[in-house]
Amino acid sequence: ETGVTQTPRHLVMGMTNKKSLKCEQHLGHNAMYWYKQSAKKPLELMFVYNFKEQTENNSVPSRFSPECPNSSHLFLHLHTLQPEDSALYLCASSQVKNSPLHFGNGTRLTVT
Amino acid sequence: AQRVTQPEKLLSVFKGAPVELKCNYSYSGSPELFWYVQYSRQRLQLLLRHISRESIKGFTADLNKGETSFHLKKPFAQEEDSAMYYCALPPLGSGGSNYKLTFGKGTLLTVNP
Repeated sequence: ETGVTQTPRHLVMGMTNKKSLKCEQHLGHNAMYWYKQSAKKPLELMFVYNFKEQTENNSVPSRFSPECPNSSHLFLHLHTLQPEDSALYLCASSQVKNSPLHFGNGTRLTVT
Repeated sequence: AQRVTQPEKLLSVFKGAPVELKCNYSYSGSPELFWYVQYSRQRLQLLLRHISRESIKGFTADLNKGETSFHLKKPFAQEEDSAMYYCALPPLGSGGSNYKLTFGKGTLLTVNP
């Protein structure tokens, strides 16, 4: 599959659970991003990885832990989340910093 | 701090009518701005960028530094233009870097038949 693929599409988890979101890009891009999209709020950048190195952490709580094992894969590990963390989590990639972002379809997360 | 404002949450027009989606920014310097679009059941994608000065799907956007605006315009709206539109601004001095884009809250455009 080409493009940016995110799994799972939907996730429901309790506050004590540990889960991970996965993102994979088949575009040969060097940068990968996690964004959070909540109702009534603009898209919020969470993390940026460039050539597997984290270049941005936008003051994200430690209950969100990113991992980028290589330029094609990005994970977001979740633990002890709060109900207010329920949102659509979008992964994106880009070739270089000035090239367009390519987004995945997102994971709809519900924390109960 | 830089800011992107899309004052209209919802915009509804009839097919064939002109459409203008507003975007205002606060920024010190010469910004490079983007418009991203999300059609129903599709992923968010780049529509156009200021630096390209191109027309995509009949849409254009002109940077007006005096009014600090980057409004998206199309002279004749089509039903397939119905989507969520986001204006976005990269960090000051980044040369258009994606690394910390500031997105507006978005405008939902509905084009009625």
